[in-house]
Amino acid sequence: EAQVTQNPRYLITVTGKKLTVTCSQNMNHEYMSWYRQDPGLGLRQIYYSMNVEVTDKGDVPEGYKVSRKEKRNFPLILESPSPNQTSLYFCASSFGGAREKLFFGSGTQLSVL
Amino acid sequence: DQQVKQNSPSLSVQEGRISILNCDYTNSMFDYFLWYKKYPAEGPTFLISISSIKDKNEDGRFTVFLNKSAKHLSLHIVPSQPGDSAVYFCAARFQGAQKLVFGQGTRLTINP
Repeated sequence: EAQVTQNPRYLITVTGKKLTVTCSQNMNHEYMSWYRQDPGLGLRQIYYSMNVEVTDKGDVPEGYKVSRKEKRNFPLILESPSPNQTSLYFCASSFGGAREKLFFGSGTQLSVL
Repeated sequence: DQQVKQNSPSLSVQEGRISILNCDYTNSMFDYFLWYKKYPAEGPTFLISISSIKDKNEDGRFTVFLNKSAKHLSLHIVPSQPGDSAVYFCAARFQGAQKLVFGQGTRLTINP
């Protein structure tokens, strides 16, 4: 089954404790991206990647890192999480880029205390 | 600065009638527009898209209209069904780039 898998689904952590949210897709998609969803703000793009070792900033990249060492994986790294990073995070992928149909993961609800 | 705006946080429509969801944008450098639907506890799913060179695109019960002069996008759902109850996001892509900008979302409720 074609899917984007995010882990964990829920995460509660404390300020400053490094964490990684994993994202994996099994569709051989070139394009992958991360979004955060906040009330009243919709979805905002954090980072995206057009291919292995090619990443670029979205609209809200501060406080986040990503890597794309393999085509299928695109982890989101919070080196020193802060409470304003409490949010619902989504990973997505597509074959040809942002204008193509994006496949989203089920989301990761992160709470930073 | 919200470049893509969905000014109606919620919309309630009777089953069988038409649902019209609206989206306004400010940047004329957007060249592609998409609509996504989101159910609770799930990721968004793609619904329909339109290129800026077109003014209408249809897919079954869903039609997207683009008015470039007004910088306005709308999604029509006819007839509306209970399963259409969800949050709808419009999104816009910058010309020649891979950044996507989403609106705030509109929660659509279809009443039986």
